[in-house]
Amino acid sequence: GQQLNQSPQSMFIQEGEDVSMNCTSSSIFNTWLWYKQDPGEGPVLLIALYKAGELTSNGRLTAQFGITRKDSFLNISASIPSDVGIYFCAGSERGSQGNLIFGKGTKLSVKP
Amino acid sequence: ETGVTQTPRHLVMGMTNKKSLKCEQHLGHNAMYWYKQSAKKPLELMFVYSLEERVENNSVPSRFSPECPNSSHLFLHLHTLQPEDSALYLCASSQERRSETQYFGPGTRLLVL
Repeated sequence: GQQLNQSPQSMFIQEGEDVSMNCTSSSIFNTWLWYKQDPGEGPVLLIALYKAGELTSNGRLTAQFGITRKDSFLNISASIPSDVGIYFCAGSERGSQGNLIFGKGTKLSVKP
Repeated sequence: ETGVTQTPRHLVMGMTNKKSLKCEQHLGHNAMYWYKQSAKKPLELMFVYSLEERVENNSVPSRFSPECPNSSHLFLHLHTLQPEDSALYLCASSQERRSETQYFGPGTRLLVL
């Protein structure tokens, strides 16, 4: 079935640095979502994107829906220790029933 | 804070036990979902309920039995599980079945011995 390619798998950065991660699909998506999951918790929705080219911010987080509708990226500016966690992309294919397909996640570690 | 709650948060069970996971959403949503999250694998959709009717069963073994008595509550009944069923089980809800924006609960960490 359809899979999302999320990269990088993990990142080790210094506090204050900017972070960028992305997801690509082999088919056209109608929606891209970005979630963050802390250890022992469920994913928390960060940003939802619904239109090609859409650029949306949530505090220090910015995400974009790729113009080809086959990719999305998430940027985190000026990282802080509480940004640590696993970030997942998710999306729904055009013509699907709304089922989400998830990436494998990007594990972010921030060194103070 | 979360509008989706799950109990218990942790569960250890033997392969012959019967247990149930509970999910409750306080968001007024009409669709609810069960996912399985295993290490190093993407989230796997198990079941989808829309307006209390099961609309999708993603080839899940019959040892997992979902129940949706109303639009706010979702259960996952477990019996004769296998050790490979150990995982984090996540419940989610969305406004409608075709609404892609889903909100997750904190999950139940299940260990099958």
